[in-house]
Amino acid sequence: AQTVTQSQPEMSVQEAETVTLSCTYDTSESDYYLFWYKQPPSRQMILVIRQEAYKQQNATENRFSVNFQKAAKSFSLKISDSQLGDAAMYFCAYRSYTDKLIFGTGTRLQVFP
Amino acid sequence: NAGVTQTPKFQVLKTGQSMTLQCAQDMNHEYMSWYRQDPGMGLRLIHYSVGAGITDQGEVPNGYNVSRSTTEDFPLRLLSAAPSQTSVYFCASSSSSGPADTQYFGPGTRLTVL
Repeated sequence: AQTVTQSQPEMSVQEAETVTLSCTYDTSESDYYLFWYKQPPSRQMILVIRQEAYKQQNATENRFSVNFQKAAKSFSLKISDSQLGDAAMYFCAYRSYTDKLIFGTGTRLQVFP
Repeated sequence: NAGVTQTPKFQVLKTGQSMTLQCAQDMNHEYMSWYRQDPGMGLRLIHYSVGAGITDQGEVPNGYNVSRSTTEDFPLRLLSAAPSQTSVYFCASSSSSGPADTQYFGPGTRLTVL
Protein backbone atom coordinates (compact mmCIF):
# COMPACT_ATOMS: atom_id res chain seq x y z
CA ALA A 1 0.00 0.00 0.00
CA GLN A 2 1.09 3.54 -0.65
CA THR A 3 2.43 5.38 2.38
CA VAL A 4 3.38 8.95 3.20
CA THR A 5 5.99 9.64 5.86
CA GLN A 6 6.70 12.90 7.64
CA SER A 7 9.66 12.31 9.91
CA GLN A 8 9.62 15.69 11.66
CA PRO A 9 6.84 15.85 14.28
CA GLU A 10 7.79 19.44 15.13
CA MET A 11 9.79 22.23 13.54
CA SER A 12 10.43 25.81 14.53
CA VAL A 13 11.58 28.89 12.64
CA GLN A 14 12.29 32.52 13.36
CA GLU A 15 10.03 35.06 11.72
CA ALA A 16 11.37 36.12 8.27
CA GLU A 17 13.60 33.04 8.05
CA THR A 18 13.23 30.00 5.80
CA VAL A 19 12.18 26.53 6.88
CA THR A 20 11.89 23.22 5.03
CA LEU A 21 9.46 20.47 5.94
CA SER A 22 10.25 16.95 4.76
CA CYS A 23 8.01 14.32 3.23
CA THR A 24 8.74 10.97 1.64
CA TYR A 25 6.30 8.58 0.05
CA ASP A 26 6.19 5.10 -1.32
CA THR A 27 4.35 4.17 -4.49
CA SER A 28 4.62 1.95 -7.53
CA GLU A 29 2.52 4.33 -9.62
CA SER A 30 4.07 6.61 -12.22
CA ASP A 31 1.31 9.21 -12.39
CA TYR A 32 0.15 10.79 -9.16
CA TYR A 33 -0.25 14.06 -7.31
CA LEU A 34 1.35 15.32 -4.14
CA PHE A 35 -0.07 17.98 -1.86
CA TRP A 36 0.79 20.05 1.16
CA TYR A 37 -2.11 21.03 3.41
CA LYS A 38 -1.98 23.54 6.25
CA GLN A 39 -4.12 23.11 9.36
CA PRO A 40 -4.10 26.17 11.65
CA PRO A 41 -5.58 26.05 15.17
CA SER A 42 -9.01 26.68 13.63
CA ARG A 43 -8.81 23.07 12.32
CA GLN A 44 -9.61 24.13 8.76
CA MET A 45 -7.64 22.14 6.17
CA ILE A 46 -6.18 24.52 3.60
CA LEU A 47 -4.44 23.45 0.40
CA VAL A 48 -1.04 25.14 0.23
CA ILE A 49 0.51 23.69 -2.90
CA ARG A 50 0.36 20.67 -5.19
CA GLN A 51 2.64 18.92 -7.63
CA GLU A 52 1.89 16.56 -10.49
CA ALA A 53 4.44 13.77 -10.72
CA TYR A 54 4.82 14.17 -14.47
CA LYS A 55 5.85 17.80 -14.20
CA GLN A 56 9.58 18.35 -13.89
CA GLN A 57 9.25 21.89 -12.65
CA ASN A 58 8.82 22.36 -8.93
CA ALA A 59 5.56 24.06 -7.95
CA THR A 60 5.62 27.46 -6.28
CA GLU A 61 2.89 29.54 -4.65
CA ASN A 62 4.16 32.90 -3.42
CA ARG A 63 6.37 32.15 -0.38
CA PHE A 64 5.76 28.39 -0.63
CA SER A 65 7.74 26.13 -2.91
CA VAL A 66 8.46 22.44 -3.16
CA ASN A 67 11.50 20.34 -3.91
CA PHE A 68 10.13 17.33 -5.75
CA GLN A 69 12.60 14.47 -6.25
CA LYS A 70 10.66 11.76 -8.07
CA ALA A 71 13.39 9.13 -8.09
CA ALA A 72 14.00 9.58 -4.38
CA LYS A 73 10.23 9.83 -3.71
CA SER A 74 10.78 12.99 -1.75
CA PHE A 75 8.51 16.04 -1.62
CA SER A 76 9.68 18.78 0.74
CA LEU A 77 7.98 22.13 1.39
CA LYS A 78 10.02 25.30 1.71
CA ILE A 79 8.47 28.32 3.39
CA SER A 80 10.39 31.53 2.76
CA ASP A 81 10.12 34.73 4.78
CA SER A 82 8.16 32.90 7.48
CA GLN A 83 5.32 34.77 9.11
CA LEU A 84 3.55 34.27 12.43
CA GLY A 85 0.46 33.20 10.49
CA ASP A 86 2.38 30.26 9.06
CA ALA A 87 2.28 28.52 12.44
CA ALA A 88 0.18 25.40 11.93
CA MET A 89 0.20 21.67 11.35
CA TYR A 90 1.36 20.81 7.85
CA PHE A 91 0.29 17.59 6.19
CA CYS A 92 1.84 16.02 3.14
CA ALA A 93 -0.60 13.97 1.04
CA TYR A 94 -0.55 11.68 -1.98
CA ARG A 95 -3.24 10.76 -4.48
CA SER A 96 -3.28 8.76 -7.68
CA TYR A 97 -5.88 7.54 -10.16
CA THR A 98 -6.08 4.25 -8.26
CA ASP A 99 -5.62 5.53 -4.71
CA LYS A 100 -7.59 7.92 -2.57
CA LEU A 101 -5.99 10.81 -0.72
CA ILE A 102 -3.40 9.46 1.73
CA PHE A 103 -2.00 11.74 4.43
CA GLY A 104 1.20 11.77 6.41
CA THR A 105 1.14 12.21 10.17
CA GLY A 106 1.89 15.91 10.03
CA THR A 107 4.57 18.38 11.16
CA ARG A 108 3.77 21.06 13.69
CA LEU A 109 5.47 24.32 12.71
CA GLN A 110 6.10 26.99 15.31
CA VAL A 111 7.11 30.50 14.26
CA PHE A 112 8.93 32.68 16.77
CA PRO A 113 9.01 36.49 16.55
CA ASN B 1 -20.21 31.01 -0.90
CA ALA B 2 -20.66 28.43 1.88
CA GLY B 3 -18.41 25.70 0.42
CA VAL B 4 -18.48 22.59 2.63
CA THR B 5 -20.43 22.86 5.85
CA GLN B 6 -20.53 20.43 8.76
CA THR B 7 -22.81 20.22 11.75
CA PRO B 8 -22.45 20.02 14.66
CA LYS B 9 -19.03 21.52 15.46
CA PHE B 10 -18.80 19.64 18.76
CA GLN B 11 -20.64 16.62 20.11
CA VAL B 12 -20.40 14.45 23.21
CA LEU B 13 -21.99 11.00 23.16
CA LYS B 14 -22.28 8.14 25.57
CA THR B 15 -21.17 4.68 24.54
CA GLY B 16 -23.90 2.96 22.55
CA GLN B 17 -25.68 6.13 21.43
CA SER B 18 -26.24 6.81 17.77
CA MET B 19 -25.93 10.04 15.87
CA THR B 20 -25.49 11.51 12.41
CA LEU B 21 -22.82 13.97 11.40
CA GLN B 22 -24.11 16.23 8.68
CA CYS B 23 -22.14 17.40 5.64
CA ALA B 24 -23.35 19.58 2.81
CA GLN B 25 -21.68 21.31 -0.12
CA ASP B 26 -23.04 23.92 -2.50
CA MET B 27 -20.45 23.56 -5.28
CA ASN B 28 -22.26 20.80 -7.21
CA HIS B 29 -19.35 18.45 -6.52
CA GLU B 30 -19.72 14.81 -7.45
CA TYR B 31 -17.08 13.42 -5.09
CA MET B 32 -17.53 13.60 -1.32
CA SER B 33 -15.67 11.87 1.46
CA TRP B 34 -15.36 11.52 5.21
CA TYR B 35 -12.09 11.42 7.14
CA ARG B 36 -11.21 11.05 10.77
CA GLN B 37 -8.22 12.73 12.35
CA ASP B 38 -6.57 11.18 15.39
CA PRO B 39 -3.48 12.50 17.19
CA GLY B 40 -0.28 11.35 15.52
CA MET B 41 -2.12 9.56 12.69
CA GLY B 42 -3.02 12.21 10.13
CA LEU B 43 -6.34 11.94 8.33
CA ARG B 44 -7.76 8.56 7.36
CA LEU B 45 -10.52 7.93 4.87
CA ILE B 46 -13.73 6.42 6.29
CA HIS B 47 -16.18 6.38 3.35
CA TYR B 48 -16.52 8.15 0.06
CA SER B 49 -19.04 8.75 -2.71
CA VAL B 50 -18.50 9.41 -6.40
CA GLY B 51 -22.07 10.60 -6.95
CA ALA B 52 -25.63 10.41 -5.72
CA GLY B 53 -26.56 6.83 -4.89
CA ILE B 54 -22.97 5.55 -4.97
CA THR B 55 -20.85 5.02 -1.87
CA ASP B 56 -17.83 2.92 -1.02
CA GLN B 57 -15.58 2.11 1.92
CA GLY B 58 -12.30 3.77 2.69
CA GLU B 59 -9.49 2.72 4.99
CA VAL B 60 -11.40 2.71 8.32
CA PRO B 61 -15.13 2.08 7.61
CA ASN B 62 -16.07 -0.12 10.58
CA GLY B 63 -18.73 1.40 12.84
CA TYR B 64 -19.85 3.98 10.28
CA ASN B 65 -22.59 4.10 7.64
CA VAL B 66 -23.13 6.59 4.85
CA SER B 67 -25.67 7.31 2.16
CA ARG B 68 -25.85 9.81 -0.68
CA SER B 69 -29.39 10.57 -1.74
CA THR B 70 -28.57 14.00 -3.18
CA THR B 71 -25.49 15.59 -4.73
CA GLU B 72 -25.33 18.15 -1.92
CA ASP B 73 -25.52 16.00 1.21
CA PHE B 74 -23.36 13.19 2.56
CA PRO B 75 -24.24 12.30 6.17
CA LEU B 76 -22.10 10.00 8.32
CA ARG B 77 -23.94 7.77 10.80
CA LEU B 78 -22.57 6.22 13.94
CA LEU B 79 -24.98 3.43 14.84
CA SER B 80 -23.56 2.55 18.27
CA ALA B 81 -20.83 4.94 19.37
CA ALA B 82 -17.68 3.57 20.98
CA PRO B 83 -14.85 5.42 22.78
CA SER B 84 -12.54 4.44 19.89
CA GLN B 85 -14.61 6.74 17.69
CA THR B 86 -13.55 9.78 19.66
CA SER B 87 -11.92 11.88 16.96
CA VAL B 88 -12.22 14.93 14.75
CA TYR B 89 -14.25 14.23 11.62
CA PHE B 90 -13.81 16.05 8.34
CA CYS B 91 -16.01 16.03 5.29
CA ALA B 92 -14.49 16.96 1.94
CA SER B 93 -15.67 17.39 -1.63
CA SER B 94 -14.21 17.79 -5.10
CA SER B 95 -15.66 18.15 -8.56
CA SER B 96 -14.65 14.61 -9.50
CA SER B 97 -12.76 11.63 -8.11
CA GLY B 98 -9.72 12.43 -10.25
CA PRO B 99 -6.49 13.05 -8.33
CA ALA B 100 -5.96 16.47 -9.91
CA ASP B 101 -9.13 17.91 -8.45
CA THR B 102 -8.68 19.93 -5.28
CA GLN B 103 -10.54 18.57 -2.27
CA TYR B 104 -12.29 21.23 -0.21
CA PHE B 105 -12.64 20.44 3.46
CA GLY B 106 -15.32 21.37 5.93
CA PRO B 107 -14.45 22.88 9.32
CA GLY B 108 -14.62 19.55 11.15
CA THR B 109 -16.66 18.04 13.97
CA ARG B 110 -15.01 17.16 17.25
CA LEU B 111 -16.71 14.06 18.66
CA THR B 112 -16.12 12.69 22.14
CA VAL B 113 -17.56 9.32 23.15
CA LEU B 114 -17.62 8.67 26.87
